[in-house]
Amino acid sequence: GAGVSQSPSNKVTEKGKDVELRCDPISGHTALYWYRQSLGQGLEFLIYFQGNSAPDKSGLPSDRFSAERTGGSVSTLTIQRTQQEDSAVYLCASSFFQREQYFGPGTRLTVT
Amino acid sequence: GQQLNQSPQSMFIQEGEDVSMNCTSSSIFNTWLWYKQDPGEGPVLLIALYKAGELTSNGRLTAQFGITRKDSFLNISASIPSDVGIYFCAGPVNAGGTSYGKLTFGQGTILTVHP
Repeated sequence: GAGVSQSPSNKVTEKGKDVELRCDPISGHTALYWYRQSLGQGLEFLIYFQGNSAPDKSGLPSDRFSAERTGGSVSTLTIQRTQQEDSAVYLCASSFFQREQYFGPGTRLTVT
Repeated sequence: GQQLNQSPQSMFIQEGEDVSMNCTSSSIFNTWLWYKQDPGEGPVLLIALYKAGELTSNGRLTAQFGITRKDSFLNISASIPSDVGIYFCAGPVNAGGTSYGKLTFGQGTILTVHP
C-alpha cells in the first residue's frame, strides 16, 4: 500500500510569509507526528496527534507554528511569519497507535 | 529533555569492512531504536530493542541494548555501498516508556562506503 506522502517536496518562501505543509498518513494509522530536521542534525519532535485526543503540542518552538489533523487523516503544519531559522526539512510520520513510525520523504523549507 | 549522543559523527570505510557506532544518554531508556536515512528520504526503522542486554540482528546489522539502559550500539558487518546514509538512534521522549510515542533522536552518524 501507499506510504506516508508529503507535499510540497520543496518550498522556498520569503521571510515573513506564511506556509502550509501537508501530510497524508498511511490509511488506518491512528497516530500522526511532525518532526523538524535542521541541516546535519537529528530529528526534533514538534507535535503528535493520536486518534481524537487533544494533540501533544509540547515540541512546537513558538506560537507561529500550528498544526491540525482533519477527519483523523490528513494533517497540515502551518508556519506563520516565517523566519530564516525555520529553514529545515519537515518530516511527518504515522503509526498504528504507538507502534512503529513510518516516515514520509519530508518537505524541504527554505526561507530567504 | 533527554539528549542522545551518537559517535562517531561520521565514518569513511572501505566496502567489506565492519562498522560500529554507538549512542549514549544521561537518562535511562526502556526502548532503543536504530533508524537509517537515505538522502531525500525519511528515516526507516532498522532495529528496535526493548530489554536491557538484548542483542538483536537484522541481516548484517546487529544492535545491543546496554546493560545500564543508557547506551546502545549498532554494528554493520561486511559493509556494501548501499549501506551509505545517516544512522540515527532514537528513544521515546518519555524515556521510561515502553512504547514508541513521540521520539527523541541522536544527531546521527554519517556513513560513507568506498567501493
